[in-house]
Amino acid sequence: AQSVAQPEDQVNVAEGNPLTVKCTYSVSGNPYLFWYVQYPNRGLQFLLKYITGDNLVKGSYGFEAEFNKSQTSFHLKKPSALVSDSALYFCAVRDGNNFNKFYFGSGTKLNVKP
Amino acid sequence: EAGVAQSPRYKIIEKRQSVAFWCNPISGHATLYWYQQILGQGPKLLIQFQNNGVVDDSQLPKDRFSAERLKGVDSTLKIQPAKLEDSAVYLCASSRDEGWETQYFGPGTRLLVL
Repeated sequence: AQSVAQPEDQVNVAEGNPLTVKCTYSVSGNPYLFWYVQYPNRGLQFLLKYITGDNLVKGSYGFEAEFNKSQTSFHLKKPSALVSDSALYFCAVRDGNNFNKFYFGSGTKLNVKP
Repeated sequence: EAGVAQSPRYKIIEKRQSVAFWCNPISGHATLYWYQQILGQGPKLLIQFQNNGVVDDSQLPKDRFSAERLKGVDSTLKIQPAKLEDSAVYLCASSRDEGWETQYFGPGTRLLVL
């Protein structure tokens, strides 16, 4: 079945430390991959996407993500976390063989402590 | 550029009542999406429009949910009759086109069915 998985419900990291939020996917064709962030009582905001080309994608607020085809992963990273990065992060994938299908992961709550 | 607008922001109804949500996408965006986000889960795509035509509604519970996008701009999502399990946030998003284009989300409508 087509899907996207975020194996960690919550990630805790100290301010200034690097952070990683994990995402793996399963689609039939080449994937289009996205990361969104959701702050409390606010809508989803786009962070970055991978369509084709360089496996390392840079996005908003200093975030980046690496596409790994062999591991079917698209982990979100940031070299130095800020307290203001604390939010809910969603990975999403569109099936390259069927543009009509778009799937979100269950979300990972990132807590950055001072 | 104005973002995606949704109304109402909150709605409380009793089961078996009907309810409607309205969405105004970003000007010029051809594709419009409705998602259901149940507490603690990622958004689930209900229906996708390309201009005023339905591209995919495979996850829309058609016995009680309906949606339309007249003139290829605004859209309404209706639930009739509502069930307790319909309590969720209903998100509207739009993009310039389908596929790899970034989706921009509205603030959502929080529905509580009692």
